[in-house]
Amino acid sequence: DQQVKQNSPSLSVQEGRISILNCDYTNSMFDYFLWYKKYPAEGPTFLISISSIKDKNEDGRFTVFLNKSAKHLSLHIVPSQPGDSAVYFCAAGDFGNEKLTFGTGTRLTIIP
Amino acid sequence: DADVTQTPRNRITKTGKRIMLECSQTKGHDRMYWYRQDPGLGLRLIYYSFDVKDINKGEISDGYSVSRQAQAKFSLSLESAIPNQTALYFCATSESGTGAPGGYTFGSGTRLTVV
Repeated sequence: DQQVKQNSPSLSVQEGRISILNCDYTNSMFDYFLWYKKYPAEGPTFLISISSIKDKNEDGRFTVFLNKSAKHLSLHIVPSQPGDSAVYFCAAGDFGNEKLTFGTGTRLTIIP
Repeated sequence: DADVTQTPRNRITKTGKRIMLECSQTKGHDRMYWYRQDPGLGLRLIYYSFDVKDINKGEISDGYSVSRQAQAKFSLSLESAIPNQTALYFCATSESGTGAPGGYTFGSGTRLTVV
């Protein structure tokens, strides 16, 4: 039972445009959400997070939006740069359960 | 030095062999995790530990065992490797169970192939 889903395995975006990566979850107990970025031959690196008490969090070019009623979060990257080409994982956890559940990942390719 | 170091980086082993993957961290965190990555399946939790005396099974622990030798060291063993354990394995450490505030810190991974 996949509790965290990334339904788009891949996404291609022109350099300079907005990249939008989506993530859906089913467990209403999740109250903390994170996005990770992964380059080939490297481990995932933390990008940005959001608590369920918020609906938006920004960090430079990266913004995460959370829609609790729809159990949906998204990552917006504006403007997209070639170095953003990577696999992006969303992850969710709840403060009572002490571990994270990851999605299946979306491969983002930025076209120069 | 990397915050989380995994050894070996790559390993090919035969079916039925016992193999150990090692992980050490310099973050000073109590929480450590072993994840497995397979194409199309994302990262799945194998085992996790909150301190040297606290080991917990994750969602796919069958066929694996772990040892927390010290706060900084967390090893994953495959008692009798089988081909469907071929995967990319990641160790991670964290200040909190959800990763708040700065997320889990992952190692660079071990690519394991069982032939």
